[in-house]
Amino acid sequence: GQQVMQIPQYQHVQEGEDFTTYCNSSTTLSNIQWYKQRPGGHPVFLIQLVKSGEVKKQKRLTFQFGEAKKNSSLHITATQTTDVGTYFCAAALRGSTLGRLYFGRGTQLTVWP
Amino acid sequence: NAGVTQTPKFQVLKTGQSMTLQCAQDMNHEYMSWYRQDPGMGLRLIHYSVGAGITDQGEVPNGYNVSRSTTEDFPLRLLSAAPSQTSVYFCASSYSYSHWNTEAFFGQGTRLTVV
Repeated sequence: GQQVMQIPQYQHVQEGEDFTTYCNSSTTLSNIQWYKQRPGGHPVFLIQLVKSGEVKKQKRLTFQFGEAKKNSSLHITATQTTDVGTYFCAAALRGSTLGRLYFGRGTQLTVWP
Repeated sequence: NAGVTQTPKFQVLKTGQSMTLQCAQDMNHEYMSWYRQDPGMGLRLIHYSVGAGITDQGEVPNGYNVSRSTTEDFPLRLLSAAPSQTSVYFCASSYSYSHWNTEAFFGQGTRLTVV
């Protein structure tokens, strides 16, 4: 079954609105990563979180890792049309093969002007 | 530094044909993997390798073979193409020494259509 659940599958927002996507797992995660895939492109690494409760920011993007290391979120403040794409979380599971990532199904973000 | 290079970018196959998708990386990464991406299904792992001579199955391995004779190359073989294998295929590589650094680098993708 799916090891990492990601919601929502789709999100449509008006430019300037905020956006959040969530990832959850029933298994403790060793780390969680976030990727962005532009339409027609390939996934590109955004960030990795490793520590319990970790919060990292990249300009308008805020990434959080849950205290129990079983969930994570990506929040975009004041979306712009350049934020359009699909955002994936990917996790390394505790005890799994080093390097192996389990991807969520992604959240496809559409931003209209 | 080219990163991860996949060829071809596009391919049309007839049902029953075989072909090999090429993947090469120049970052000396131990871990390499193949994913397929279908609408609404995210990235599903086909096969992966933790080093030369070592491969293992992922979530959806049926109909695909891999080998890893060198650190740099990780080709994916479709044995007898079926319309259900129409998809976008991504190769990725990463370090695998610890969970502190497993950023995956993806190739540009191969868009495969089986008719």
